[in-house]
Amino acid sequence: NAGVTQTPKFQVLKTGQSMTLQCAQDMNHEYMSWYRQDPGMGLRLIHYSVGAGITDQGEVPNGYNVSRSTTEDFPLRLLSAAPSQTSVYFCASRRQSWGTQYFGPGTRLLVL
Amino acid sequence: AQTVTQSQPEMSVQEAETVTLSCTYDTSESDYYLFWYKQPPSRQMILVIRQEAYKQQNATENRFSVNFQKAAKSFSLKISDSQLGDAAMYFCAYRSARGGYQKVTFGTGTKLQVIP
Repeated sequence: NAGVTQTPKFQVLKTGQSMTLQCAQDMNHEYMSWYRQDPGMGLRLIHYSVGAGITDQGEVPNGYNVSRSTTEDFPLRLLSAAPSQTSVYFCASRRQSWGTQYFGPGTRLLVL
Repeated sequence: AQTVTQSQPEMSVQEAETVTLSCTYDTSESDYYLFWYKQPPSRQMILVIRQEAYKQQNATENRFSVNFQKAAKSFSLKISDSQLGDAAMYFCAYRSARGGYQKVTFGTGTKLQVIP
């Protein structure tokens, strides 16, 4: 069991570039989420999914898109990167509403 | 909306001593989950302990225990026999137990330093 995996670990982008952060889990969890972590703040929810084909917005969705074509994968797309999106991004998954949430190792993103 | 407050940005403890990290939360719900997560320098978020609000008994995991005071909306983490590997950021978190997707609300974290 690899758990929750994320790629890349670190990425540098220029303003205006687009990219996709990958997230995969092998625990057959229905719920998956993307968070961002900024200094002095806790984790904030960007987008989430309750199953393949179903996604919804969290607290800070602007500038990000998601899709969920399979149970395993939940990629996060930055459409046009901005310096304000410099952050550490975490993917998480859990088995429905009562399950314990497991986090990936994070992706550190720097937008210049 | 639920909020989670960690009023101690930083704390320190001597190795082998005991330390308590504070957390308060605000909610109008009666059924929910509370969590403590540890984030070491590797940035990996690791679940330390979980408490269901309907359980009166405080959760315990080896050297980690909580003091859950539901009426006071307080959820502190006690680390006994502190070890160097306990040095990390600790986040308190809340999640409603209602059905469907419920987001996790995190506090701003407490940085714990362990002094040899």
